[in-house]
Amino acid sequence: DTGVSQNPRHKITKRGQNVTFRCDPISEHNRLYWYRQTLGQGPEFLTYFQNEAQLEKSRLLSDRFSAERPKGSFSTLEIQRTEQGDSAMYLCASSSGGQVNEQFFGPGTRLTVL
Amino acid sequence: GDSVTQMEGPVTLSEEAFLTINCTYTATGYPSLFWYVQYPGEGLQLLLKATKADDKGSNKGFEATYRKETTSFHLEKGSVQVSDSAVYFCALSDRGGGNKLTFGTGTQLKVEL
Repeated sequence: DTGVSQNPRHKITKRGQNVTFRCDPISEHNRLYWYRQTLGQGPEFLTYFQNEAQLEKSRLLSDRFSAERPKGSFSTLEIQRTEQGDSAMYLCASSSGGQVNEQFFGPGTRLTVL
Repeated sequence: GDSVTQMEGPVTLSEEAFLTINCTYTATGYPSLFWYVQYPGEGLQLLLKATKADDKGSNKGFEATYRKETTSFHLEKGSVQVSDSAVYFCALSDRGGGNKLTFGTGTQLKVEL
């Protein structure tokens, strides 16, 4: 399967712990996006990369959140000192850019902070 | 900033009924418009798209027309099936910068026999 993959699919952690999620985009895609989706809401943009450069960050991305895409391939999203309000589905998407910029989504990582 | 407003759900229909899910948007410039679908237990999938005014996107019997004058992109299907039960998200993509997506809150569709 050559779609977007995310790991882990589920993560349960205690408040105050750090967590890290991984996203592997479609191999030829140079753009990678992170979104967050809470129950009953649509996904909200967090940040995006073009190759290895992080070009935009939402104000939703507090300083406890950091994302990297070190070689322009896979990406990681780390949340430090997790809070219960961080509980959500974290979605990754990739695209090849262009005017339409169709984004393909992974299955998501569901984070539960106890 | 950009925003998308969708009709609230859940929408419950009988099989073979006509479906309309309303979507309106606010954006600067001329965004691309999308409908994504999320089936139970699965990830978001692109259903259809339109990139300019009066374009009609279509897929799997679903259609939506980009109406610039009413800033709308309503989703329609002539005859729904039980397998269409899912959550439908309207979204727009700005053309500048990173083309990030702005989503509506989603509309849950339940189709019953």
